[in-house]
Amino acid sequence: QSVLTQPPSASETPGQRVTISCSGSSSNIGDYNVYWYQQLPGTAPKLLIYGNNQRPSGVPDRFSGSKSGTSASLAISGLRSEDEADYYCAAWDDSLSGVVFGGGTKLTVL
Amino acid sequence: EVQLVESGGGLVQSGGSLRLSCVASGFTFSSYWMHWIRQAPGKGLVWVSRVNSDVSSTNYADSVKGRFTISRDNTKNTLYLQMNSLRAEDTAVYYCARAFSPSVRGVGYWGQGTLVTVSS
Repeated sequence: QSVLTQPPSASETPGQRVTISCSGSSSNIGDYNVYWYQQLPGTAPKLLIYGNNQRPSGVPDRFSGSKSGTSASLAISGLRSEDEADYYCAAWDDSLSGVVFGGGTKLTVL
Repeated sequence: EVQLVESGGGLVQSGGSLRLSCVASGFTFSSYWMHWIRQAPGKGLVWVSRVNSDVSSTNYADSVKGRFTISRDNTKNTLYLQMNSLRAEDTAVYYCARAFSPSVRGVGYWGQGTLVTVSS
């Protein structure tokens, strides 16, 4: 049972837009920045979004993040087959004094 | 370029010990919080432990508290995880990870991971 709640799966067709939600509480998302990671099969996670809505250099602007209260979301527009991966949200949690992750969302590009 | 290279994983019997290492390069290691995060086969990411930049503070997930010890040697740019009393449920890929920036706690960069398998 993950501290942050994500839908286990999402799917959309190429070229379309998909949104992945991440729900937390006041001790994590409510008070701290949200991070999003992409994990391609067999590889280490890669940072997609930091500071709720900032993209590291090299991450396409098709990826965007937002946060409101104790929830956050990742949007991917202009879907491509190479976006098929697992996506995780994360934030610091004051109650646990550690990083908490969502359970991950497996994105399928149909 | 930030590089994190883990080593030390392998097969160990239940109750045994293992020490993971992570050699960092491409940044000022002593300025950043460092984390260990694990991923059991087919499962999600789970935070294990973190150490602050000057080793004055550490935290652990409840599942490993009292069994695992995180440490770092800033003179060798190396992060460690000493794992004792290993259990089957500790089987996972263990990732070394760096905070995104010196002033934040979130994880920004990941190593390639090292697999730990605990046989019962």
